[in-house]
Amino acid sequence: QVQLQESGPGLVKPSQTLSLTCTVSGDSISNSIYDWSWVRQPAGKGLEWIGRMYLSGTTNYNPSLKSRATISRDTSRNQFSLRLRSVTAADTAVYFCARGIYGRIDYFYYYYMGVWGKGTTVTVS
Amino acid sequence: QSVLTQPPSVSAAPGQKVTISCSGSSSNIGNNFVSWYQQFPGTAPKVVIYDNDKRPSEIPDRFSASKSGTSATLAITGLQTGDEADYYCGTWDTNLSAGVFGGGTKLTVL
Repeated sequence: QVQLQESGPGLVKPSQTLSLTCTVSGDSISNSIYDWSWVRQPAGKGLEWIGRMYLSGTTNYNPSLKSRATISRDTSRNQFSLRLRSVTAADTAVYFCARGIYGRIDYFYYYYMGVWGKGTTVTVS
Repeated sequence: QSVLTQPPSVSAAPGQKVTISCSGSSSNIGNNFVSWYQQFPGTAPKVVIYDNDKRPSEIPDRFSASKSGTSATLAITGLQTGDEADYYCGTWDTNLSAGVFGGGTKLTVL
């Protein structure tokens, strides 16, 4: 059974860097079938996709984050991480890591997140 | 503001059917597969539909979905109080090269 667990500081000061780690058990992040994603959710609001990492380490990010986000991985520890620079109060949210499936059939892309961590709350203050 | 548009809320009585719409554009729903997520308060989202209309094995067949053009619809029949949750549509946006979600719809079972 695949499980994901987020960890990291619950409180970050404005202008500093938010750093979170997702530890994966029951699967290898080197598994080329899946990709590894981050999603966040401010209190009382909807889901916001942050980015994903797949295959050889290639990444995609939400353009609205204006290049502040970086997703990396540590295959030896079976973990992947999120760094979000220059945070403000608007970055306060529950952060989820997730295992996704991404691919293409003809000209159509499929992408969904089938396994999620429980989420971790990060407050910027 | 979300890339995909959903109604903020829908409601129906137990046993009835409800539909939730999700509207996008040719760069997302119009040319890519759609997924739907169910989220209870304080918990992580859970995929209930993927690839437009496929259900994970553990999701009851009361949940179904369809897509037409740049819109998608989630339908839940035989509503139960346990279906009360927030529902989100999601897909890939080819122009943004990014995943996108709808703003979410709160389902109330009266």
